[in-house]
Amino acid sequence: KAGVTQTPRYLIKTRGQQVTLSCSPISGHRSVSWYQQTPGQGLQFLFEYFSETQRNKGNFPGRFSGRQFSNSRSEMNVSTLELGDSALYLCASSLFTGGRETQYFGPGTRLLVL
Amino acid sequence: QKEVEQDPGPLSVPEGAIVSLNCTYSNSAFQYFMWYRQYSRKGPELLMYTYSSGNKEDGRFTAQVDKSSKYISLFIRDSQPSDSATYLCATNTPGGGNKLVFGAGTILRVKS
Repeated sequence: KAGVTQTPRYLIKTRGQQVTLSCSPISGHRSVSWYQQTPGQGLQFLFEYFSETQRNKGNFPGRFSGRQFSNSRSEMNVSTLELGDSALYLCASSLFTGGRETQYFGPGTRLLVL
Repeated sequence: QKEVEQDPGPLSVPEGAIVSLNCTYSNSAFQYFMWYRQYSRKGPELLMYTYSSGNKEDGRFTAQVDKSSKYISLFIRDSQPSDSATYLCATNTPGGGNKLVFGAGTILRVKS
């Protein structure tokens, strides 16, 4: 079974621009979560979508948004990019089975804001 | 104070050593604990998932949870150079859904 895929893998943008990242979950997984990873702050939760609805939200400004489509694929958008948005953005999909929900991460999209 | 504290290391050990990685957490409501391994330029990979206090073993890996002390550990026996990676502890915040809180991650280097 194919794993979580993320596109693009690398991205360079300039301050003020906006960016859209895409995530395709493992087949059959309905939950998709997004995380930001930076050397200073580590891995931080952005938001989670389940059946096209946002189920959980982290403590990020409104410039960060996401959505999920009916096929469970998800996108996240960052508007008005700032230098501090440079990070590895990770997507994780999960399936509730065996009494627990386990998250499987994709390889990430590395975003550099200049 | 961070909800999950983890020493970032780096931790350097010789091949074959027993490695001990540790985290502490602050919220007694946390119930599920995970250990992820992340190689350079890759996404985290789930190693161990534990719920109750006690030990859980999987091959060379043992996860230990002590809820009374709010302390979780990962032990790696017979460490190999291929174990060199960043190890992240994580817990699922209560309230439903998937919202993981991660430790800072410990960089492990196993020297051959």
